[in-house]
Amino acid sequence: QKEVEQNSGPLSVPEGAIASLNCTYSDRGSQSFFWYRQYSGKSPELIMSIYSNGDKEDGRFTAQLNKASQYVSLLIRDSQPSDSATYLCAVTTGNQFYFGTGTSLTVIP
Amino acid sequence: DTAVSQTPKYLVTQMGNDKSIKCEQNLGHDTMYWYKQDSKKFLKIMFSYNNKELIINETVPNRFSPKSPDKAHLNLHINSLELGDSAVYFCASSQGWEQETQYFGPGTRLLVL
Repeated sequence: QKEVEQNSGPLSVPEGAIASLNCTYSDRGSQSFFWYRQYSGKSPELIMSIYSNGDKEDGRFTAQLNKASQYVSLLIRDSQPSDSATYLCAVTTGNQFYFGTGTSLTVIP
Repeated sequence: DTAVSQTPKYLVTQMGNDKSIKCEQNLGHDTMYWYKQDSKKFLKIMFSYNNKELIINETVPNRFSPKSPDKAHLNLHINSLELGDSAVYFCASSQGWEQETQYFGPGTRLLVL
């Protein structure tokens, strides 16, 4: 089992809709959780970080963490074509960093 | 101002050659990393240095050797390049460890022929 798992997609949503990206992790001791966005041919950039159970909102983005279910998600409200990218979930456990394989999102105008 | 820079951006070389990739960060961060992203876009950590000390050394061939001359630099030297080394290599840095955001460089696209 991989440490971090994501549905690779592709996920397509119409412009203005809510995009929901999901991530599960295997190590219950995981402490920090991140969502990165990577445009094609570019480097990953951080969108959100979350450390405790519940929701964390930043503009159109909401990260949700449920440690009991070992699940972290990212919601993108009012999706825009510029949100089309690959979204990487990352988890830290002690001194280890693990990235998921990413979910490809396409927002259709 | 570029926060995390890497050189070169592109590297095309023959099998068996030795090459180096340089990374510099001007953010004053204590921790730097090297990642490899393969053709399937899987991003895997290779090494991490904190205050010039190696703290993560994942299972990578010993043909790969990182060197950190100071906190702002983390270079990657690769000996006897193989076809399977073709990938994008990203350098990243963070202020500290674990809960800290990582800032990525633009990547070095390595193609081994």
